[in-house]
Amino acid sequence: QSVLTQPPSVSGAPGQGVTISCTGSSSNIGTGYDVNWYQQFPGTAPKLLIYGNNQRPSGVPDRFSGSRSGTSASLAIAGLQTEDEADYYCQSYGSSLNDVVFGGGTKLTVL
Amino acid sequence: QMQLQESGPGLVKSSETLSLTCSVSGDSISSINHYWGWIRQPPGKGLEWIGHIYYTGNTYYKSSLSGRVAISQDTSKNQFSLKLTSVTAADTAVYYCVTRSLPSGYDPTFDNWGQGTLVTVSS
Repeated sequence: QSVLTQPPSVSGAPGQGVTISCTGSSSNIGTGYDVNWYQQFPGTAPKLLIYGNNQRPSGVPDRFSGSRSGTSASLAIAGLQTEDEADYYCQSYGSSLNDVVFGGGTKLTVL
Repeated sequence: QMQLQESGPGLVKSSETLSLTCSVSGDSISSINHYWGWIRQPPGKGLEWIGHIYYTGNTYYKSSLSGRVAISQDTSKNQFSLKLTSVTAADTAVYYCVTRSLPSGYDPTFDNWGQGTLVTVSS
C-alpha cells in the first residue's frame, strides 16, 4: 500500500492529453513538500521527469507539465505520442525530507 | 556525466544478508552536492525508498526497514554499499542505486539512477 495514491492506469489516443493524479494527505504533500515525477519504461530504470512540482529537467519536452494543489498533485501530458507509453510515479516527502514516499505508479497506454 | 553501477549476488537465501555495492564514476561520493541512496522495486510493483547516506557519513533509512538496513561508503573506491539483514521473499526486488540531489530552491530529487540489479531471495 503506497503512501501516495495514483490511478493504476490511464489511456489516451495519440495527439490527445491525459492527466495522472497523485493524492496524498496533510502528512506529506499537504505539508508543502515538492512533488517529483518519474517516468519508467519496461526493463529500465526510472528517469526524473518533473521536479519541484512543475519544473522540467533539461531535455524533457514541454508536453509534460506538473502541478500541485493542497494535498494532491497532477502530471499532465499533452499531445500524446506512442513513445510516452510508460509507468509514471509521483514522489514526495513525509515527516521530513529524509522520509521519502512514492505513489504506486500509473501505467499510461497510448491507444 | 555521472554513472552508477550496482553489483552483488543475484540470489540470496532467506534469513541471510543481502549485500550490494554501487560504483560511482563521473563524480566523487565525497561531493557535498549529492546524497547516495538505494531504492528498490519488487517485480511488477512500485518504487520503495530504502535510505541514503551523505558524505559526512550521516545515514537516513525508511522506518520500516530500520534495524535491518545499513548503508555505508568507501571513499577510497568511490563506492557506497547496502546491507539488508534477515531477508525474506518480500525483499525480492530490483535494487537501484541513486543520487539524491538538491536543485536550488527545490526539495531533493533522485536524478541519477543505476541500471538496477535483481536480487531474488530463495527459501
